[in-house]
Amino acid sequence: DGGITQSPKYLFRKEGQNVTLSCEQNLNHDAMYWYRQDPGQGLRLIYYSQIVNDFQKGDIAEGYSVSREKKESFPLTVTSAQKNPTAFYLCASSGGAPLSSYNEQFFGPGTRLTVL
Amino acid sequence: DAKTTQPTSMDCAEGRAANLPCNHSTISGNEYVYWYRQIHSQGPQYIIHGLKNNETNEMASLIITEDRKSSTLILPHATLRDTAVYYCIAANAGNNRKLIWGLGTSLAVNP
Repeated sequence: DGGITQSPKYLFRKEGQNVTLSCEQNLNHDAMYWYRQDPGQGLRLIYYSQIVNDFQKGDIAEGYSVSREKKESFPLTVTSAQKNPTAFYLCASSGGAPLSSYNEQFFGPGTRLTVL
Repeated sequence: DAKTTQPTSMDCAEGRAANLPCNHSTISGNEYVYWYRQIHSQGPQYIIHGLKNNETNEMASLIITEDRKSSTLILPHATLRDTAVYYCIAANAGNNRKLIWGLGTSLAVNP
């Protein structure tokens, strides 16, 4: 089945440790995104990538890093510099023509990170 | 991108139509209205989008006012599985890859 996978679903880490969240898609989409969601809040964009080997900071990039070495993969590293890393992390991808209005974002199931 | 305003929460009886409003009074001419929903602890799911005309698909209908300052998402026969947070987002086609998410409307469908 085509889709986006994120692993693991739940992740626990000790404070001060870096952690990498996995995101893989087999939809052949060029664009991929990472969002963070806190309880009762909307999604906030961390990083996005429109094409392989290129990515841009979103609204809350501090304390995070990404790479886009393959079209299918867009891993997110939560570094020890992120002050409040405990959150629900969502990965998404989108395809379609660059100026097409039909550019829905497909989301993965999310990873719930808890830093102890 | 234009800011959108939605009610915090709504209730609907199972089997009845759910009408979710969204205000986007500052929407510009090239901005579309997108609707997504998020079931608890899952990733959001695209529902529908439109520019000027009303739109319908297998999930919902989207009614956009003539002045485009507001819209309504209609779930014609709500089921318990439609309980979710519904997000209305205004974005232009050239930049619709970077969506700005508000707090949405928490819809509770009651038996």
